[in-house]
Amino acid sequence: SQTIHQWPATLVQPVGSPLSLECTVEGTSNPNLYWYRQAAGRGLQLLFYSVGIGQISSEVPQNLSASRPQDRQFILSSKKLLLSDSGFYLCAWSVPSTGELFFGEGSRLTVL
Amino acid sequence: ILNVEQSPQSLHVQEGDSTNFTCSFPSSNFYALHWYRWETAKSPEALFVMTLNGDEKKKGRISATLNTKEGYSYLYIKGSQPEDSATYLCGGGGYQKVTFGTGTKLQVIP
Repeated sequence: SQTIHQWPATLVQPVGSPLSLECTVEGTSNPNLYWYRQAAGRGLQLLFYSVGIGQISSEVPQNLSASRPQDRQFILSSKKLLLSDSGFYLCAWSVPSTGELFFGEGSRLTVL
Repeated sequence: ILNVEQSPQSLHVQEGDSTNFTCSFPSSNFYALHWYRWETAKSPEALFVMTLNGDEKKKGRISATLNTKEGYSYLYIKGSQPEDSATYLCGGGGYQKVTFGTGTKLQVIP
């Protein structure tokens, strides 16, 4: 069966520090991969998605970047965090034929 | 980017009551409509993915309808139970991505 894991689960970082959140999927090949964020009091915002290795689409201009170095690995990064980067980050994968999303456990980022 | 809107933002119902939520989306560039349940301290889980106009889907006490021509979907919960308490997310999908509304937070009071 397919599984998705992301880490770390919780992160407290100072403003200006770098960020790396990792996500891996097991049990499937060539999934579509996604990074979403829920900021305080807001809905789930799509940040990046990828349909293949090295292929990244950015939905919202921001302080973050994403990379897909391997088929089932998706990484969210920042060189210098801002206070506004605080939030709950969710990685997800989907089967291209149905589009149904399967979410990871989430990573809560607090930038101080 | 699809602009998906959900209403109400939150509601409280008594155990045993039936309730429904609304999701509206632009009818152009539509590919699929998604409903997810997001319980506290868990990840969102899919309830339904619907693509056809007039489609109706059911899972236990929860059902959903889809009208792609007028751009709306309804989610119904019959006989609400405390375990139904969660945020219900509606997402409008293009072929490769899903844009979510802000969700409806449901609290079922025992």
